[in-house]
Amino acid sequence: DIVLTQSPATLSLSPGERATLSCRASQTISSYLAWYQQKPGQAPRLLIYDASNRATGIPARFSGSGSGTDFTLTISNLEPEDFAVYYCQQRNNWLYTFGQGTKLEIK
Amino acid sequence: EVQLVESGGGLIQPGGSLRLSCAASGFTVSSNYMSWVRQAPGKGLEWVSVIYSGGSTYYADSVKGRFTISRDNSKNTLYLQMNSLRAEDTAVYYCARLTEIAAFDYWGQGTLVTVSS
Repeated sequence: DIVLTQSPATLSLSPGERATLSCRASQTISSYLAWYQQKPGQAPRLLIYDASNRATGIPARFSGSGSGTDFTLTISNLEPEDFAVYYCQQRNNWLYTFGQGTKLEIK
Repeated sequence: EVQLVESGGGLIQPGGSLRLSCAASGFTVSSNYMSWVRQAPGKGLEWVSVIYSGGSTYYADSVKGRFTISRDNSKNTLYLQMNSLRAEDTAVYYCARLTEIAAFDYWGQGTLVTVSS
């Protein structure tokens, strides 16, 4: 089974800064890599699909990149509402897996 | 507007059974891929099961043989039948629509299942 490892586990930044979140797969995966944002008490929200495409309504400060085994979510110019937990997710055949999450907290 | 509303969660003893429902509106369940994802308290997301538009179903190893995903086309509703429940099945269960490029684009608000004696 493919394992997704996210780093760092916790990222402490200030509003206005740039956040770079990493997701590494244990083996080469397709571009079917998605990113989600989850706030306390809420369901996850799709941010990025197919590694680099923003979902409907997602601000341009969110961007995704990567291929093979290494993928990145970048949030430029952090807004107060961006502090949350972020998950990456992939599909391998019929099996879907999530990374363990990165908590983005206010410094 | 796409909406997913889960129901059926609650407190259940180990070994018991529970059926979760997810009522969909704004789209047709049978024409889409649908999935269940769970989240144990304070933990990350774990994919549970998927049903494709053609009817094929797949499960995570952790629930295979105990959980069954299904849908009722006339009610536009997704279900998860959970049998032989264990303490480690305690979680918030979300239903989600799955796109053909493997992203969960719409989620319900979740329903909490607590397995405890």
